[in-house]
This record gives sequence, C-alpha cells and structure tokens, in this order.
Amino acid sequence: DSGVTQTPKHLITATGQRVTLRCSPRSGDLSVYWYQQSLDQGLQFLIQYYNGEERAKGNILERFSAQQFPDLHSELNLSSLELGDSALYFCASSELAGGPDTQYFGPGTRLTVL
Amino acid sequence: ILNVEQSPQSLHVQEGDSTNFTCSFPSSNFYALHWYRWETAKSPEALFVMTLNGDEKKKGRISATLNTKEGYSYLYIKGSQPEDSATYLCAFFNQAGTALIFGKGTTLSVSS
Repeated sequence: DSGVTQTPKHLITATGQRVTLRCSPRSGDLSVYWYQQSLDQGLQFLIQYYNGEERAKGNILERFSAQQFPDLHSELNLSSLELGDSALYFCASSELAGGPDTQYFGPGTRLTVL
Repeated sequence: ILNVEQSPQSLHVQEGDSTNFTCSFPSSNFYALHWYRWETAKSPEALFVMTLNGDEKKKGRISATLNTKEGYSYLYIKGSQPEDSATYLCAFFNQAGTALIFGKGTTLSVSS
C-alpha cells in the first residue's frame, strides 16, 4: 500500500458526461501528479500540482481540468467525455516537486465511457 | 520530442534464470532516471531513482546501473522467481523538463 488513495475505483459513464476523480496523497507529500494509461500507451503525464499551485502541464486536454485543495487532496475533472477517454487514471504523490523525488502511485481509477 | 525506449518489450524466463532489460533515454540535460515495478491489477511501485552517471542501486535480487553519457540504464534480476512477474517501467526526467517521461515497459513472465 503506497499511502495514496483514489476514488472511485471504477467509473462507467456515457459520452458527453462529466466526471470527477479524487486523489488523496501520502501524508506529508506536497506534490500530486495525474497520469493517463490508455490501451497500448505508456503512462502519459497530465498535470502536476505542488502545495496547491499548478506546477507542470503535460498532454492534458482542454476538456480536462484539475485542482489541489488546501488539505492537499486533488481532483481531476473530465468533461464532454468521449469514447477515447476510456483509460486508467493514476494519481501519484511525492514529498517535493523535483525530478529525483520518488513518486508513489495510487491504485488508479478505471474510467469506461460508453 | 523526448523518447524513452525499453527493450525487450516482453520476455519469458524460467525460475532461477537471471535476466536484464534496457532503458534508453536522451543523454542531454539528464536529471534523473526512475525504475518502477508494475504488477497486474496493482499500481506502479518505485524501485530506484538514479541521478549520477555510474550509479548502481540494489534491492534484494534486483539491481540497476546508469550511464548518463550514453543514455542508458540496465535493470538486472538475479535468480528470477514467479513473483518477479510484472511490467518494469523506466522514466526519465531532464533538467529542462517538468515531468517524468515513461517508457512502455518490459513485461517479464517467470515460469516455475
């Protein structure tokens, strides 16, 4: 158990809908990262928050947004969902924000868009 | 475009065999190289983070080496066991970058 929690574990929804994925980092970790794992794709970095502020942005679509709250938990909002958004979404956390920091991954949320 | 390549894509070994995989990454502006172990139905688990050329790290039967000048890292597993079956991911972070770039992984299957 990495200490990172994600809810829900599974989510099934329809095209055009909006969903929110939630992540609680390990105690003491200030950085939260969101990744997408699609079929045949490696883990793709979406976005990073550090102590409440957006720190880095990757291949995140404009239909997706995220935020980190004062208690350091984070939410990833996916809107106007398309079939291609079906994927495993991971949250990870680290103590600080640098490259050498080990990232600890949550169990993931599997999103299925029908 | 930063690219991290891992080889082989998959391999199958017998219990007791030793094996190794390769991770290739851009050698310019290197900052850190991460190795993760990802078992089916679980989440990626950190194995090593390496930052210096020539770094060698070891955890039990698993070890890793790093060559930042030529842009590669090797992961070794000595005396493979069925519980070593997993996908092994490497991820690269360069000084100009803002995020880990993951390879697609090497999937290891160990038969008893």
